[in-house]
Amino acid sequence: DAMVIQNPRYQVTQFGKPVTLSCSQTLNHNVMYWYQQKSSQAPKLLFHYYDKDFNNEADTPDNFQSRRPNTSFCFLDIRSPGLGDAAMYLCATSRTGNSNQPQHFGDGTRLSIL
Amino acid sequence: GQQVMQIPQYQHVQEGEDFTTYCNSSTTLSNIQWYKQRPGGHPVFLIQLVKSGEVKKQKRLTFQFGEAKKNSSLHITATQTTDVGTYFCAAPGGATNKLIFGTGTLLAVQP
Repeated sequence: DAMVIQNPRYQVTQFGKPVTLSCSQTLNHNVMYWYQQKSSQAPKLLFHYYDKDFNNEADTPDNFQSRRPNTSFCFLDIRSPGLGDAAMYLCATSRTGNSNQPQHFGDGTRLSIL
Repeated sequence: GQQVMQIPQYQHVQEGEDFTTYCNSSTTLSNIQWYKQRPGGHPVFLIQLVKSGEVKKQKRLTFQFGEAKKNSSLHITATQTTDVGTYFCAAPGGATNKLIFGTGTLLAVQP
């Protein structure tokens, strides 16, 4: 089945130690998104790629970076994780960049910071 | 920036009772989407509304878009335990006009 896959499901890292989360998709969608979701809160969009074009949200901290080496894969890099970065990170895709497109989410990676 | 507020934040019902969540925006929306997130799961797309006053139904779920396109509602008739989860509305906004999720309504259903 076509889907959005996130690895790993759970990630533990140390305070200040860089960490990378990965996302892959078999939907062949043009757009890939990264969201941060903290407990009992709504998903918060960090950035998205439309094909190779990177689009950052205004309030996304510089600590968060992303790479999309090809259509299928997208990575979220957290350069120096702080305790406040502990959250669920959700990857999503949509076929086009139009705001009327439904988004398809992966199962997420839950990040813990020691 | 644009905010999409949902009420209530939390609703606890007995199985078989109805449930409604409301989504309100300070600005006119081009469209609105609804997602369901089960506990421990990821958001799953339910439906999209585009037209003013639009009403769509999915089995026991009824979705409505306000005439002014600033509010929307999701009504569940005769809730079941499988309806448990957080319901989010989402609308275009932010710096890149991508989906901004509402604050969500957590539904608990007691058997």
